[in-house]
Amino acid sequence: GDSVTQMEGPVTLSEEAFLTINCTYTATGYPSLFWYVQYPGEGLQLLLKATKADDKGSNKGFEATYRKETTSFNLEKGSVQVSDSAVYFCALSDLPGNTPLVFGKGTRLSVIA
Amino acid sequence: EAQVTQNPRYLITVTGKKLTVTCSQNMNHEYMSWYRQDPGLGLRQIYYSMNVEVTDKGDVPEGYKVSRKEKRNFPLILESPSPNQTSLYFCASTTGRIPDTQYFGPGTRLTVL
Repeated sequence: GDSVTQMEGPVTLSEEAFLTINCTYTATGYPSLFWYVQYPGEGLQLLLKATKADDKGSNKGFEATYRKETTSFNLEKGSVQVSDSAVYFCALSDLPGNTPLVFGKGTRLSVIA
Repeated sequence: EAQVTQNPRYLITVTGKKLTVTCSQNMNHEYMSWYRQDPGLGLRQIYYSMNVEVTDKGDVPEGYKVSRKEKRNFPLILESPSPNQTSLYFCASTTGRIPDTQYFGPGTRLTVL
């Protein structure tokens, strides 16, 4: 079945450091790929997405490129801020709506000033 | 404002006492889901619904029931809660179109003693 594997956390960075969170996936079809973010005490919200190979999703300074050849969708940000501290989830969707999003286990990021 | 609401946000109960967690969305979405979030396990889908009166099991449906009598509401029912159902629960909805962005509620933290 479909699966998502993302790097274990927690990740602790200093403000303005470069961030990479690795994510690889296994899917039978051609999934859409997502990064969701969960701030403390809140639900998940979509950060960015990509629907086909070589697409780049971007939002709030974060980027991720859909790499079909390496089945990866790594999240990057050039300069993190304290406000980026959250849990980040990589996810895929293989079919519309009626099949679940498959989530990775989440990576907790802490950014210190 | 487009949103998914859940109630209650926090609940402490005892083993065997039936409870219902409500979920409502105001986006006219067809697809709705329930997830539970546990440390080290990420998010796992409990049940999902593709439309009114159409529901199906997710990855971890045991001990849960759902109903979808109206498009906007998708309550989660625990007929006889047990301590292993202590978790953080999220409701989500989506249009079902590709790509599948899911909109999450704020979460319900349930403790079963």
